Amino acid sequence: QSALTQPASVSGSPGQSITISCTGTSSDVGSYNLVSWYQQHPGKAPKLMIYDVIKRPSGVSNRFSGSKSGNTASLTISGLQAEDEADYYCCSYAGSNTLEVFGGGTKVTVL
Amino acid sequence: QLQLQESGSGLVKPSQTLSLTCAVSGGSISSGGYSWSWIRQPPGKGLEWIGYIYHSGSTSYNPSLKSRVTISVDRSKNQFSLNLRSVTAADTAVYYCARRDIYSNYLDYWGQGTLVTVSS
Repeated sequence: QSALTQPASVSGSPGQSITISCTGTSSDVGSYNLVSWYQQHPGKAPKLMIYDVIKRPSGVSNRFSGSKSGNTASLTISGLQAEDEADYYCCSYAGSNTLEVFGGGTKVTVL
Repeated sequence: QLQLQESGSGLVKPSQTLSLTCAVSGGSISSGGYSWSWIRQPPGKGLEWIGYIYHSGSTSYNPSLKSRVTISVDRSKNQFSLNLRSVTAADTAVYYCARRDIYSNYLDYWGQGTLVTVSS
């Protein structure tokens, strides 16, 4: 059960847009539209930001958006704000035998 | 508002069993459409699925941990539990419980997490 591949870090200035990639395989990201994204601030529990690749839970800012192409899912944060500085994890369903698989996480820094 | 709260021993000796409980309040653990999950995060590292249990009692486990893990549910107490046997230092982590939507597989409510250290 290999982790999904995310960049270790991404940075941007306030107001800019950044995109975090999440690369899997044809057995997970490529086969299911069941990718979710989580934001985690230091010492806190993860928070759901995106599910079903593109859907936002109630209360999550529309500055956060998701997409997918082939085996790679992406999270875009537009209008970057200081409060967006956190770790972000992607997660994909990988079939009934493998369960879900997380990405290794991406640290977002607001410059 | 649904709330989840982990409890259990914060220090476990190597080769012993790690036991945690997640108390659910503000909603019923028997509600359809959800399963109840355990996830862990070693210090400074990423998230790892441990497994989950449906309200029916059926379970699914991470294949890499399956031989050592048992997740159970106590509907009368509205809580579910994790037992991880034969622990080593590699099992040291923050353990989270969370609610999982069974249709879209996302985790929408999380406990605050509890640190479990494996050390003699």
